[in-house]
Amino acid sequence: QKEVEQNSGPLSVPEGAIASLNCTYSDRGSQSFFWYRQYSGKSPELIMSIYSNGDKEDGRFTAQLNKASQYVSLLIRDSQPSDSATYLCAVNRRGDIGNEKLTFGTGTRLTIIP
Amino acid sequence: DTEVTQTPKHLVMGMTNKKSLKCEQHMGHRAMYWYKQKAKKPPELMFVYSYEKLSINESVPSRFSPECPNSSLLNLHLHALQPEDSALYLCASSFSGGATGELFFGEGSRLTVL
Repeated sequence: QKEVEQNSGPLSVPEGAIASLNCTYSDRGSQSFFWYRQYSGKSPELIMSIYSNGDKEDGRFTAQLNKASQYVSLLIRDSQPSDSATYLCAVNRRGDIGNEKLTFGTGTRLTIIP
Repeated sequence: DTEVTQTPKHLVMGMTNKKSLKCEQHMGHRAMYWYKQKAKKPPELMFVYSYEKLSINESVPSRFSPECPNSSLLNLHLHALQPEDSALYLCASSFSGGATGELFFGEGSRLTVL
């Protein structure tokens, strides 16, 4: 079983609709959870972080965490063509140095259709 | 504009060459990282420097060697690389080495080994 699993997609969503991206993780000791956006040929950019169960909203983005189910999701409301990118889920637990235990999923490629 | 600067943006080298990738951050962060990313794959951690302490992914071959002259600079020395080492090399920094997972990536150095 992969440590962090995402549906690779592609996920196609009409412009203006809600895009829902899902991620599951296997390590129950995981403490913090992140969504990174990566445009083709570019580097990843942190868009959301969540540390406790429930929802966290930031503009059009909502991250949802359920530690009991080992599940984290990202909702994008009013999807725009500029949201077309690969979304990487990342999960962390404390390491000796710090952040060396950060594990990325394989990413979900999202395409917003005008 | 990214505050993590990587040079060069593109590098082509032969298998017998010695070259270096450079990374600089101006955010006062205390942890810096090198990641390797192949096409359609997630970033893979190579090295972490946090508070002058180095953590190594043991799967990284010795032909890659990191150097951290100070807390703002991180170099990756390359020697006798193989064509399969061709990839996007990403430098990142974080405020601390704690398990925050909040990384700031540079734009990357795209390496081609002939």
